[in-house]
Amino acid sequence: DAGVTQSPTHLIKTRGQQVTLRCSPKSGHDTVSWYQQALGQGPQFIFQYYEEEERQRGNFPDRFSGHQFPNYSSELNVNALLLGDSALYLCASSLGQPPYEQYFGPGTRLTVT
Amino acid sequence: AQSVSQHNHHVILSEAASLELGCNYSYGGTVNLFWYVQYPGQHLQLLLKYFSGDPLVKGIKGFEAEFIKSKFSFNLRKPSVQWSDTAEYFCAVRGGNNRKLIWGLGTSLAVNP
Repeated sequence: DAGVTQSPTHLIKTRGQQVTLRCSPKSGHDTVSWYQQALGQGPQFIFQYYEEEERQRGNFPDRFSGHQFPNYSSELNVNALLLGDSALYLCASSLGQPPYEQYFGPGTRLTVT
Repeated sequence: AQSVSQHNHHVILSEAASLELGCNYSYGGTVNLFWYVQYPGQHLQLLLKYFSGDPLVKGIKGFEAEFIKSKFSFNLRKPSVQWSDTAEYFCAVRGGNNRKLIWGLGTSLAVNP
């Protein structure tokens, strides 16, 4: 049973560039949530996708956008990268009904220079 | 706004010592509570969870946590820690119909052999 997978593992980008991160949910899960984890901090919720629509969004600017595909996989896009976007980006999958128990992928480490 | 507070940011113990990590949350309604662990170089793993029922929940690797509603607390305990418990521990809360998890800042535990 495959768990949550994310790609790439590491990424280095320059300020102003755009980046796309990818996530495949755990088998049987239909909901994907994205989190940003800065060094020394707990994860911060970016948004959640279910049935190809953004269901809930955290306090992140519109530079952060996402997409969910019919196979439930998801992408996180960040435009106009800032140095402060450097972080570990975590994808979590769950079922689309309470209690929304989430399973996490290994994350993508994004470094913006 | 919902928030989670973890009292101990860094804990150092010797093997066989007892562990208790504090977690308090602010939310007046129904909550789901979680403790996640992140071992060095690994992704977040669910340690234990509380949804309803018995407020004393047992998780993997000998960990347990007690939900005390009147104190808005969900403290993590282990009677005797091992060197392999060295990791980052995160408390997370999901409140009401909210789909996102709210996270504490994490507690870094170092167990000396």
